[in-house]
Amino acid sequence: GAVVSQHPSWVICKSGTSVKIECRSLDFQATTMFWYRQFPKQSLMLMATSNEGSKATYEQGVEKDKFLINHASLTLSTLTVTSAHPEDSSFYICSAPALAIYEQYFGPGTRLTVT
Amino acid sequence: KNEVEQSPQNLTAQEGEFITINCSYSVGISALHWLQQHPGGGIVSLFMLSSGKKKHGRLIATINIQEKHSSLHITASHPRDSAVYICALIARGTSGSRLTFGEGTQLTVNP
Repeated sequence: GAVVSQHPSWVICKSGTSVKIECRSLDFQATTMFWYRQFPKQSLMLMATSNEGSKATYEQGVEKDKFLINHASLTLSTLTVTSAHPEDSSFYICSAPALAIYEQYFGPGTRLTVT
Repeated sequence: KNEVEQSPQNLTAQEGEFITINCSYSVGISALHWLQQHPGGGIVSLFMLSSGKKKHGRLIATINIQEKHSSLHITASHPRDSAVYICALIARGTSGSRLTFGEGTQLTVNP
């Protein structure tokens, strides 16, 4: 089946620094990718939709200047958390729709800890 | 009220028991997913349904479009089934494959 990878799988950074998370579709092309955030004991919350060749679409309440999304190619989307704060510590997951209609594949997630 | 409601929130079972997790929703849908999230965080799509019933091994998923309700059943449960099960839907009229998630059901199967 289709595979989506994320890198890094975990990262610890100091408050005020920026962190980049990569999401790659390994064996299929994805013109759209979704970025989610998940806090402990909670479900996934959609942050933004990444669109290849155009600007990302952000959900209400998500700061576009803080969470920069770049869909660089048909297989790569990146999420950069800028000026990270401890409250940004969370589990970030990406997903990409597959060729089959309505199917989606999820990345393994990136655990971000901001100290 | 959330568009997607799951029950129960937490479920503890003994190995071998038959398990049912329910999902009710309030909008018209194009498709509904049942996802499994293991403690490490990785998410796997178990089923995608738009009607009827699907079966894979010990897992069965059903959906009743008229009643806006779906169920995930696990037969002969095993400790390795312990995970969070999430119902997620694609609302009709939504662009692309954008998912709306339920809160998840934490399942623990004891040996």
